[in-house]
Amino acid sequence: EAQVTQNPRYLITVTGKKLTVTCSQNMNHEYMSWYRQDPGLGLRQIYYSMNVEVTDKGDVPEGYKVSRKEKRNFPLILESPSPNQTSLYFCASSLGRPSEQYFGPGTRLTVT
Amino acid sequence: ILNVEQSPQSLHVQEGDSTNFTCSFPSSNFYALHWYRWETAKSPEALFVMTLNGDEKKKGRISATLNTKEGYSYLYIKGSQPEDSATYLCASTNAGNNRKLIWGLGTSLAVNP
Repeated sequence: EAQVTQNPRYLITVTGKKLTVTCSQNMNHEYMSWYRQDPGLGLRQIYYSMNVEVTDKGDVPEGYKVSRKEKRNFPLILESPSPNQTSLYFCASSLGRPSEQYFGPGTRLTVT
Repeated sequence: ILNVEQSPQSLHVQEGDSTNFTCSFPSSNFYALHWYRWETAKSPEALFVMTLNGDEKKKGRISATLNTKEGYSYLYIKGSQPEDSATYLCASTNAGNNRKLIWGLGTSLAVNP
């Protein structure tokens, strides 16, 4: 089954404790992206990657890191999480432009 | 228009009503327009991707049109059903190399049985 998976789905953590949210797709998609969704603000892109070893900042990259060492994986790293990073995070992938994006199930992160 | 704007913000209709929403987007440097359906507690799912002026796409009772010259797209739902209740998002892609999607805030549709 073609899908985008994210783990964990839910996470409660404390300020400053490094964490990684994994994202994996099995569709051989070139393009992958991370979004955060906050009430009233819509989907905001954090980082995106157009292919292996090619990543770039989105609209709200501060406080986040990503890597794309393999085509299928695109982890999101929070080196020192802060409460303002409490949000719902989505990973998405697409074959290319202007293809439709496939979204993962979301990760709800709470930073206390 | 620098951003993608959707109207109305929310909509309540009765089962069986037909309805439509609007998405306005930057017409300069346009590449593609996406429509997504986002049900509560789920992930956004793609409905349509349109690129050409005058494009019309249909999936069941849902259809969409595109006007790239004036920068708007309409989404139509014919004979709304309670299962159509969701937030409908549109996003436009520019013609640059970064494939950036600019997202609207969505139209929240509630269909009352």
